[in-house]
Amino acid sequence: QKEVEQNSGPLSVPEGAIASLNCTYSDRVSQSFFWYRQYSGKSPELIMSIYSNGDKEDGRFTAQLNKASQYVSLLIRDSQPSDSATYLCAARSGYALNFGKGTSLLVTP
Amino acid sequence: SAVISQKPSRDICQRGTSLTIQCQVDSQVTMMFWYRQQPGQSLTLIATANQGSEATYESGFVIDKFPISRPNLTFSTLTVSNMSPEDSSIYLCSATPIGGSEETQYFGPGTRLLVL
Repeated sequence: QKEVEQNSGPLSVPEGAIASLNCTYSDRVSQSFFWYRQYSGKSPELIMSIYSNGDKEDGRFTAQLNKASQYVSLLIRDSQPSDSATYLCAARSGYALNFGKGTSLLVTP
Repeated sequence: SAVISQKPSRDICQRGTSLTIQCQVDSQVTMMFWYRQQPGQSLTLIATANQGSEATYESGFVIDKFPISRPNLTFSTLTVSNMSPEDSSIYLCSATPIGGSEETQYFGPGTRLLVL
């Protein structure tokens, strides 16, 4: 079973703070990982992908990957109310993606 | 990236009937995928649609229930056959663009299906 686990939340952070979202995966063969943002009633939107151990930064977002620990995280700096959404972690297995159940993030003004 | 559209955006259907969902991409793509997202749940892969070959179905999904077509590099359909209320879900098409990162998938807006 190829599991991707996320804390369902909700994770509540004040505006301007750093939001930290975490994900673990079970399939050691997985080589690439993705974070999607999904607003209620909308389809998933790709935020970041990461393939190598370490950090990858894109604007306010930083993805972190530790393959030895089978752990992926997403940091959102200077969180805004518009960041309130469900964040889905996905691990690529073959051609397809295995998704976690998502973490609900609420950024309060 | 790729812009993906789906039709219909939503539908209400009677049990025992079938619905065909269309997925159109604005550029040629290699892989196309069909996912299901049930209320409050994450995405579950139904099948991978390859152009020129049979779709590959995930465990728990069968061709008789979810027949898929992929006639060209920009279009695919998913049919939900002999529907029951348990099929009520959001059905999402996704695709991997040719020329982009082989591993990046973009999603369509989804089709919201309610079966009565």
